[in-house]
Amino acid sequence: DTEVTQTPKHLVMGMTNKKSLKCEQHMGHRAMYWYKQKAKKPPELMFVYSYEKLSINESVPSRFSPECPNSSLLNLHLHALQPEDSALYLCASSQGRWEEQFFGPGTRLTVL
Amino acid sequence: TQLLEQSPQFLSIQEGENLTVYCNSSSVFSSLQWYRQEPGEGPVLLVTVVTGGEVKKLKRLTFQFGDARKDSSLHITAAQPGDTGLYLCAGVVKYSGGGADGLTFGKGTHLIIQP
Repeated sequence: DTEVTQTPKHLVMGMTNKKSLKCEQHMGHRAMYWYKQKAKKPPELMFVYSYEKLSINESVPSRFSPECPNSSLLNLHLHALQPEDSALYLCASSQGRWEEQFFGPGTRLTVL
Repeated sequence: TQLLEQSPQFLSIQEGENLTVYCNSSSVFSSLQWYRQEPGEGPVLLVTVVTGGEVKKLKRLTFQFGDARKDSSLHITAAQPGDTGLYLCAGVVKYSGGGADGLTFGKGTHLIIQP
């Protein structure tokens, strides 16, 4: 299984809602990532988990909260988002630092 | 400051033509990766280049890593409509807090191959 799955595929939420994005991989990878991608822009790294230890991109606002329940699962909890947070949120995983990152199909998020 | 500069940002050519996409940086990277992304999907890795001066071929795609490991190029021969997509170069950067590194991407090249 060389697939990274993400749910939901699409999400529409209001600025007062709380929602979560989910990502799963069963390749035995020990590093998992969240990226944010705006239209016609490259992905931007948000968070990295390696062996379930978090590294943070310090520019990410606190209304985004990652969680890694185990080495196969990665969540992104969303609270009090702004319309400018609307984007494609990509999850990726890799075995090691210099190795191939496998990306999921993304969750298309719209904040109203 | 953009760590990785890609050019051109947009390219539209006819089927059968050749093209080259460039990825440049003032920083030295231990490796550079090239990805291709189609609308509504995640990026898919095409190649990783590690050694300065390295050349890798993937069918009609040729990837080169500069001798100083600061730049890379992607050359497509006899482009086909199926090559249409967003091409991204990426290098590994280390973020505070330790742990695994993450990728920093160039702005990408939007390529359209017209039949």
